[in-house]
Order: sequence, then structure tokens, then C-alpha cells
Amino acid sequence: EVQLVESGGGLIQPGGSLRLSCAASGFTVSSNYMSWVRQAPGKGLEWVSVIYSGGSTYYADSVKGRFTISRDNSKNTLYLQMNSLRAEDTAVYYCARAGHYWGQGTLVTVSS
Amino acid sequence: DIVMTQTPLSLSVTPGQPASISCKSSQSLLHSDGKTYLYWYLQKPGQPPQLLIYEVSNRFSGVPDRFSGSGSGTDFTLKISRVEAEDVGVYYCMQSIQLLTFGGGTKVEIK
Repeated sequence: EVQLVESGGGLIQPGGSLRLSCAASGFTVSSNYMSWVRQAPGKGLEWVSVIYSGGSTYYADSVKGRFTISRDNSKNTLYLQMNSLRAEDTAVYYCARAGHYWGQGTLVTVSS
Repeated sequence: DIVMTQTPLSLSVTPGQPASISCKSSQSLLHSDGKTYLYWYLQKPGQPPQLLIYEVSNRFSGVPDRFSGSGSGTDFTLKISRVEAEDVGVYYCMQSIQLLTFGGGTKVEIK
């Protein structure tokens, strides 16, 4: 059974950093493209970042230069390192496997 | 960047009646591998999005057959043949031919 479990969210001050994790089971992270998608309160879905099986990474313009996506094949886990956080980064962050499977999400709140 | 435009923004449907949602992309979603990378999701309140349809018209595992997808190139449609109370939520289309982009969402409620 495919499972994705996000963790690492929380309340952080503007300018701070957080690292989100997405622990996967039932499949191999490195064999699929994996994405982070976020949803601000009351808003729609916004793609944040993707890592393809070959290792290529891409980012939405809104997070480019501040966020880094990565994976640890030995732990079968996806990460999102978020630096220089802003209030507008406040959202539920979901990891997803190739668009088919999604985790339950982790809430990131950026506020002083 | 590919822009995905969904209509309508909201829909109020009587149980048992059909419903239809449109999604238009700014570029063709047909890949050179012959597949068209258009997906449909339903997000129920307080839950993550759940995949309904992948590659235009393929129902995901466990999705009732009252949901169907159609279209090609840049124009796509999700149809619910007979809306049930459990179908309420926000529906999104998504493309994955060029990174990922979501439509703005269509909120479906029951009359």
C-alpha cells in the first residue's frame, strides 16, 4: 500500500527556516517524480517544487532561490528545505507521488 | 508556463442530476509519448486532494463510474452522471506535461 506521511511543519517567524519531510512506503521515491504542492488557507492548490527520477529539480518562481527539494534514497524520504520564509508561505504543504498519491499534509505558519 | 482555466467557479446541483466541469489549457497537453497529461482531483473539506481521473479519461482505482473524463489537446471535461451528496467539494484539473499547474478549482455543492 502506498503511503506518504509529511512532517516538520509548525509555527516559524518570518525569515526563519524549516525542513519538511515526506516518508514514503509501498514504492520507491527515486523511481518516481515527486512533488510538493501547497495550499494557503482558503485558497487553491499551488505547485511548489518537483524532483524527477533522474534527479532534475524545478521550482515555482515564488520559492526559487529559497526552497530546495531533495530525497534520501536510503530512507525513501522526500524533503523540502525552506529558507527565508515569508508570511505568504503560510500553507498546508502536501507531498505527492506523480500526481496519483498524496500525503495528508503538514501546516506551515509563518508569523511573528 | 502553462495556464489552466476551469469553469464554472461553482456549481449547485440537485442530487441525481448530472454535472460538468470544463478545463482549458494554454498549450496542448499531448506528449510525444502519445499520452495526454491531464488529471482531475476532488478535494473534500479538510482532506488532501484525491485523484479521480488520470491522463484525461482513466478512472483511478476505486473511483465510481459516474465520474468520467474526456477531451483532447487543450480542452477537457469532467462529467458526473448523477451527483451524490458525497461528491461535494472542490474539483481541480492539473497538467503535468510541463512541470505542474492546477486550475483554479470548481466548488460543487448540493441544492
